[in-house]
Amino acid sequence: EEHLKESGGGVVRPGGSLRLSCVASGFGFEDDGMSWVRQGPGKGPEWVSGISWNGASTGYADSVKGRFTISRDNAKNSIYLQMNSLRVEDTAVYYCARNKCTGGTCFLSGWFDPWGPGTQVTVSS
Amino acid sequence: DIQLTQSPSSLTASIGDRVIITCRASQVINNFLHWYQQRPGQAPRLLIYAASTLQRGVPSRFSGSASGTDVTLTINSLQPEDFATYYCQQSYTSPPTFGGGTKVEIK
Repeated sequence: EEHLKESGGGVVRPGGSLRLSCVASGFGFEDDGMSWVRQGPGKGPEWVSGISWNGASTGYADSVKGRFTISRDNAKNSIYLQMNSLRVEDTAVYYCARNKCTGGTCFLSGWFDPWGPGTQVTVSS
Repeated sequence: DIQLTQSPSSLTASIGDRVIITCRASQVINNFLHWYQQRPGQAPRLLIYAASTLQRGVPSRFSGSASGTDVTLTINSLQPEDFATYYCQQSYTSPPTFGGGTKVEIK
């Protein structure tokens, strides 16, 4: 069974940092692009960042560009999200998800399946 | 970024009803549209990708179709486990974006 599990969330003050992790199992992790998607309280999902299968290419939403960094370690079946200069508006549940698309790998597009259960990030003074 | 507008934002329905949810894009997206179901406290779950392809394991009462900039999700014979919030998502251009959601509640 394909499975993702996030960790690393918590409560942090504005301006602080957190590092999220996501470990995958049950599928060929090294073949697929991966993304982080967040969902603020009462809101729809928002794509945050994506990374290609080999980590050579990355992309970010404008709202986090310059503050967040995505990376991956295929030997550990894991992706990471380093979040710096956190703001109150970054408060959300953060999900990792695999990117899928027709005709090859993708990391800035496609649909998302599966998703992890999410990890809560709260930025508050 | 492409904007997706879902309608209605919420609806009430009974077990056995047919429910239709529409997602309208701010520009042509050529069937690069996908649907998710989210139950309270859970992550979104992929139902349909590329406008009309049912994800493996999803019941056949779910179906999708597209016409121009409008894409619809139909649930035939609503079941108790279908009461949830549904989101559309486009992947025609980056960044991928989501609609605001449609909450399906029990009448």
